[in-house]
This record gives sequence, structure tokens and C-alpha cells, in this order.
Amino acid sequence: AQSVTQPDIHITVSEGASLELRCNYSYGATPYLFWYVQSPGQGLQLLLKYFSGDTLVQGIKGFEAEFKRSQSSFNLRKPSVHWSDAAEYFCAVGGQAGTALIFGKGTTLSVSS
Amino acid sequence: GAVVSQHPSRVICKSGTSVKIECRSLDFQATTMFWYRQFPKQSLMLMATSNEGSKATYEQGVEKDKFLINHASLTLSTLTVTSAHPEDSSFYICSARGTDSNYGYTFGSGTRLTVV
Repeated sequence: AQSVTQPDIHITVSEGASLELRCNYSYGATPYLFWYVQSPGQGLQLLLKYFSGDTLVQGIKGFEAEFKRSQSSFNLRKPSVHWSDAAEYFCAVGGQAGTALIFGKGTTLSVSS
Repeated sequence: GAVVSQHPSRVICKSGTSVKIECRSLDFQATTMFWYRQFPKQSLMLMATSNEGSKATYEQGVEKDKFLINHASLTLSTLTVTSAHPEDSSFYICSARGTDSNYGYTFGSGTRLTVV
């Protein structure tokens, strides 16, 4: 079955500390992988995506993610978190055929001062 | 870049009435559009997939007669919630995908529907 697992429901990090949000996927075909961020009451903003090529992907706002096929993972990282990064983060997987994205349950990031 | 405009952003309606939500791709042709529903503090649940000029494909458990989806052109898809009830109150988000795979999936800003 196709699925996305985000093991951490809620993470709190100190401002300036590093961040890693975990994402594991199960997908039968070559996956397209995405990370989105959502602020309360807002739509989704794309942070980064992986289609093919270099497995380390750079995104907006200083985020990066690494695709590890052997681990079926696509973890999101940021070296130094800012208070404005507090939001809901969703990992998603899709296929080349244009099928809908499958989302994880999301991870809520809180940033403490 | 790819932009999807979704309107209205918020709507309050009375029970029994219908509400239409529009999703427009502004700078690309959206061959496929997806409609999601999101409950508070939960993930996005796919409701239906629509391809331009074709009938929408609904996910299991989604009432096609209640949630009418029309994708009449390559830039516009609409979701109409018919005979709305309070339990239909939710956050609805559309997503569009074009022919250029580099666009990926672009999301609208969502519509907060409250049925009173």
C-alpha cells in the first residue's frame, strides 16, 4: 500500500538549533517526494521536491532534504531554526503518472526562545 | 512560477444551501486538479481527482452527489458542496498539476467552510 509516515507528531526546538523532520514512504513506483509547510488557516507552500538526480535537495527558507532509497526516507533538515519556522510540515509522495499526492499526518514544529 | 488561485478563502452558509468553491490555475494549464479536505490539526484527505473534460474520480467514502466537481476548462475547477450540513464544515484545498512535471503540484490557499 502507498503511504507516508511522519513519526513525530510534535517537535519543539530552540531557536538557532538544528532541525530534522523524519519522513518514510511506501510507494510501488519511482516516487516523487515533496515537503510542504502550512501556517494556521493557510494553504500549503512547497519547500522542496525530489524527482531524480542529486539525492540532496535544496529548498526555500534554508531547508534541505535527503532522499535515501535504501531507507525509503526523505528527511527534512535545517541547520538553524528561526521562530518564523513554527508551522505544520507535511511530507508527501506522488508518482509520475500524475496521480494525487499522498500526505503524511504532518509534524507540528514549535520553536522556543 | 505556477500559481493557483482559490476562492473564496472563507465562507459561511446556512444548512441546506449550496456553496461553490473555485480553483483557477493562473499561469499554466492544469490538466489534473485534486480536491482535498482537511480537518483541524489533521492531514489532507483526497476527495477527488478531476481531469479536464472528464468526470471526476471520487475517493471511497466521498459522496459524489454532495460534492460536485466540475473541471470544464484547463484553468478552472469548481467544487460545489450541495445541501450543506454542519458536518461539512472543514478546510478545502485544491491542487493543480500541469503538463510540465517541473511544476509539480501547486496548491490553492484553501477555503474555510462553516455551515451554521
